[in-house]
Amino acid sequence: NAGVTQTPKFQVLKTGQSMTLQCAQDMNHNSMYWYRQDPGMGLRLIYYSASEGTTDKGEVPNGYNVSRLNKREFSLRLESAAPSQTSVYFCASSTHMNTEAFFGQGTRLTVV
Amino acid sequence: QKEVEQDPGPLSVPEGAIVSLNCTYSNSAFQYFMWYRQYSRKGPELLMYTYSSGNKEDGRFTAQVDKSSKYISLFIRDSQPSDSATYLCAMRGQAGTALIFGKGTTLSVSS
Repeated sequence: NAGVTQTPKFQVLKTGQSMTLQCAQDMNHNSMYWYRQDPGMGLRLIYYSASEGTTDKGEVPNGYNVSRLNKREFSLRLESAAPSQTSVYFCASSTHMNTEAFFGQGTRLTVV
Repeated sequence: QKEVEQDPGPLSVPEGAIVSLNCTYSNSAFQYFMWYRQYSRKGPELLMYTYSSGNKEDGRFTAQVDKSSKYISLFIRDSQPSDSATYLCAMRGQAGTALIFGKGTTLSVSS
């Protein structure tokens, strides 16, 4: 019973490099989200996808892009990583936008 | 003013104590209120979910919502060392809006 699976779990990037964080859920959820969590800042929404085929910006979208590949998968791309993007990234999913969200285990990203 | 305010703590209590965790909010449109627990280096997990005002109890945990005061609480009775974690409140308004989280309160229960 996997739930929400994120890959990779850890990553170190050099400034200017690009990478894609992968997220997949097996709960047949319609809505998916990407959050970042920084010390003293709590969880902040980067992008979300209310349903397959739609994506919308959250509170802190600058420097990121997303793709809702299908109902199961929602990826987050950093085109040109910056040290300010050092954070723990969480993917989450929910049945619909107005139901509780279930989180993955996180990706710890360090940009040097 | 942030939409959701939560005292970050840390909060340290002895085993068996009653713990009270709180959040205040400014958006009167919020209707759905949740508490998540996050262990160190893990993802948040849903603990309690309530709609509108009132109380909800689940074992040692009780969630309270006071919409008139824009204040929500989580009470933990007979706290255990396994309750040591960060507790995040979260809330949303009408359907179609994403969750807004508090910054989390770190709780440590000593045996």
